[in-house]
Amino acid sequence: DQQVKQNSPSLSVQEGRISILNCDYTNSMFDYFLWYKKYPAEGPTFLISISSIKDKNEDGRFTVFLNKSAKHLSLHIVPSQPGDSAVYFCAGVGGSQGNLIFGKGTKLSVKP
Amino acid sequence: ETGVTQTPRHLVMGMTNKKSLKCEQHLGHNAMYWYKQSAKKPLELMFVYNFKEQTENNSVPSRFSPECPNSSHLFLHLHTLQPEDSALYLCASSQVGQGKGYTFGSGTRLTVV
Repeated sequence: DQQVKQNSPSLSVQEGRISILNCDYTNSMFDYFLWYKKYPAEGPTFLISISSIKDKNEDGRFTVFLNKSAKHLSLHIVPSQPGDSAVYFCAGVGGSQGNLIFGKGTKLSVKP
Repeated sequence: ETGVTQTPRHLVMGMTNKKSLKCEQHLGHNAMYWYKQSAKKPLELMFVYNFKEQTENNSVPSRFSPECPNSSHLFLHLHTLQPEDSALYLCASSQVGQGKGYTFGSGTRLTVV
């Protein structure tokens, strides 16, 4: 049973427009959520996080929104740039060990 | 060196071979992890070591055998693998309980033939 779900395997956006990546989760015990970005042939790198007690966190062009009642979070990138093209993983953190549980990822393509 | 380093970057092995993947971190972290990334699947947590002690084995087949001799080094010993084990194997490190602090290596692309 997947605890973190990213139902869109890919997303294509025009440069300058907004990219919205979505993530759903089933585990109510997650303490916070993270987004990781992965380029080919590299490991995932941390992008932005949000605590389960917040509903929004913003860092430059990146904003993450959390809707706890819907068990849904989203990552907004605005304006999108070609360098943002990568796979984006949503992850939840929880449990006594604080391990990361990842979704399948969404491949974002930003076209010039 | 800084960060998390994984070697080799690419590995091709036969089903009867024995090989090892190596991970080294220079961040002073006390937890290390092995993840598996297969096509169209989530990043799957395989093993967790906190303070050199294995705290989690996520139902991984015994043909994968982890070893953590100290808090800076982590190995994944492979033997009699199957073609479906072909994947990207990622190592990560963190301070215990701090999910935000995960630092990943670049991974080893494993192909089993």
